[in-house]
Amino acid sequence: QSALTQPASVSGSPGQSITISCTGTSSDIGRYNHVSWYQQHPDKAPKLIINEVSDRPSGVPDRFSGSKSGNTASLTISGVQAEDEADYYCGSYRIGSPRWVFGGGTKLTVL
Amino acid sequence: EVLLVESGGGLVQPGGSLRLSCAVSGFTFSRHWMNWVRQAPGKGLEWVASIRPDGSAAFYVDSMKGRSTISRDNAKDSLFLQMNGLGAEDTAVYYCVRDRDWASDSWGQGTLVIVSS
Repeated sequence: QSALTQPASVSGSPGQSITISCTGTSSDIGRYNHVSWYQQHPDKAPKLIINEVSDRPSGVPDRFSGSKSGNTASLTISGVQAEDEADYYCGSYRIGSPRWVFGGGTKLTVL
Repeated sequence: EVLLVESGGGLVQPGGSLRLSCAVSGFTFSRHWMNWVRQAPGKGLEWVASIRPDGSAAFYVDSMKGRSTISRDNAKDSLFLQMNGLGAEDTAVYYCVRDRDWASDSWGQGTLVIVSS
């Protein structure tokens, strides 16, 4: 069982907006803004797409955005594209042990 | 270009040991926290261990405490993970990961560890 809770799957048609939630606790997401999101295509290493809740690293399309409210973080893809079909993981720094936690991952299917 | 290249994975018997290595290039290694993150087949990501830039402190997931050691050689731009007492639950792809701005911003391609008799 992962420390952060994500839906197992989400889907959307090209051009639609989708949101993936990530629920933690007051020890991680609720305590720090050190929340990040990762995209993983099959048989590839994860790629950072959002850090510090809502910052986009250079080269990440601006259709990806992040937010946080209380113990829950969210990733929104505005205008999903076929190449966005992948697994998405949230991650957060936390107080105590373990130092870092991830969500169980959400599989995005583009219909 | 930031590059992280893991090596040292393979098939090991239950109870055995393995030492993973990660050679990095393209950035100033000695300035960054470094992590190991693993992913069991078909499963999600799990943080394994972290080490400070100067190597003075390390942190582990509870399941690896006492049987693994993360270390680094800043002179050789290399990160290591020594794992002992391996069990089937340790079967996974192990990623070498750079920490930047409180996120895992660069990942290696991973090295597969299979624990089986």
